[in-house]
Amino acid sequence: GNSVTQMEGPVTLSEEAFLTINCTYTATGYPSLFWYVQYPGEGLQLLLKATKADDKGSNKGFEATYRKETTSFHLEKGSVQVSDSAVYFCALSYYNQGGKLIFGQGTELSVKP
Amino acid sequence: DAGVIQSPRHEVTEMGQEVTLRCKPISGHDYLFWYRQTMMRGLELLIYFNNNVPIDDSGMPEDRFSAKMPNASFSTLKIQPSEPRDSAVYFCASSSERNMYEQYFGPGTRLTVT
Repeated sequence: GNSVTQMEGPVTLSEEAFLTINCTYTATGYPSLFWYVQYPGEGLQLLLKATKADDKGSNKGFEATYRKETTSFHLEKGSVQVSDSAVYFCALSYYNQGGKLIFGQGTELSVKP
Repeated sequence: DAGVIQSPRHEVTEMGQEVTLRCKPISGHDYLFWYRQTMMRGLELLIYFNNNVPIDDSGMPEDRFSAKMPNASFSTLKIQPSEPRDSAVYFCASSSERNMYEQYFGPGTRLTVT
């Protein structure tokens, strides 16, 4: 079946450090890929997405590239801030299922000043 | 738009009691999803509706769980009887074709069953 695997957390970084959170997926066909972010006590917010191979999604300094050859969608940011501390979820969905999401297990990021 | 609205935000109940969680999707969205989040199992899809009709309920844990969508602006998730292992955060989300099925999540209901 379809699944998403993320690197385990928590990830602890100093402010202005480079961030990578690995995400790989197993799926048939051509799913869309997403990164969602969950701040403490809140619901999930879409951070970025990519709908086809080699697409790059970007938002708020975060980037991820849809790599079909390696079935990956790694999240990166060049310089993290304390305000980026949150849980990050990688997910996939298929257009013909109304956007039904299959999530990875989430990676907690803690950024220290 | 007010976004997806969920109520209550927090619910504490005793084992065996009935619990009802409520969701109001974004106006015009024709898909509605219920997810559950726990430390052990992460985020799981429980059920989703299209135009008020349940499409996939394979994630519903057992017969104690039921979900309804009587109209386009309201859905409920009911647990009867509740058990301590049902303690989790329950999220509702909605989407529509016009926004490429991007899902918008509500703030969640934190359920504690003692």
